[in-house]
Amino acid sequence: GIQVEQSPPDLILQEGANSTLRCNFSDSVNNLQWFHQNPWGQLINLFYIPSGTKQNGRLSATTVATERYSLLYISSSQTTDSGVYFCAVWSPNAGKSTFGDGTTLTVKP
Amino acid sequence: DTAVSQTPKYLVTQMGNDKSIKCEQNLGHDTMYWYKQDSKKFLKIMFSYNNKELIINETVPNRFSPKSPDKAHLNLHINSLELGDSAVYFCASSQESLRGGYTFGSGTRLTVV
Repeated sequence: GIQVEQSPPDLILQEGANSTLRCNFSDSVNNLQWFHQNPWGQLINLFYIPSGTKQNGRLSATTVATERYSLLYISSSQTTDSGVYFCAVWSPNAGKSTFGDGTTLTVKP
Repeated sequence: DTAVSQTPKYLVTQMGNDKSIKCEQNLGHDTMYWYKQDSKKFLKIMFSYNNKELIINETVPNRFSPKSPDKAHLNLHINSLELGDSAVYFCASSQESLRGGYTFGSGTRLTVV
């Protein structure tokens, strides 16, 4: 099946810093989503981004499907950005989304 | 207003018991899923239903049985609970035409003692 790798696995930032999270995948995908799991366990959809670039406030994401990767940018990080960030890719062959193992982000005040 | 709702939010039970988790979505999506998140935070799909029909059944013990009475509901019944079943179980829904585009419920934290 499709492999999804996220890096780095853990990231510690000072409040106000910027960061880039990466998601690599091993096969063609029709869709890619980024999720944030907050410290209370809720999974929040950030972006639905099969290709191109999208922005939402301090967050933006870019997917280059032909090169099989996506990037999530967090600018001017805040403590509320802490949590686990997952990417999930939809493979036409699998008929389901496969999740990466996540990047755990800790933003310190 | 909740898009995908799961009940209960917390479930503590003894080994050997049988329990159910319910999930309902009001988004009009045609596909629903159950995911298990273990203590290491890894999210693994268990089941997927499309319009009440089972389309994905990953390697899950047959003690786990999903039931979909209609496309807005997907319940999970677990027989003979074991310690290793302790995890957070997430329900999700999507529209097939969106090829994913998941919306998740808030999760059910199951603890087997």
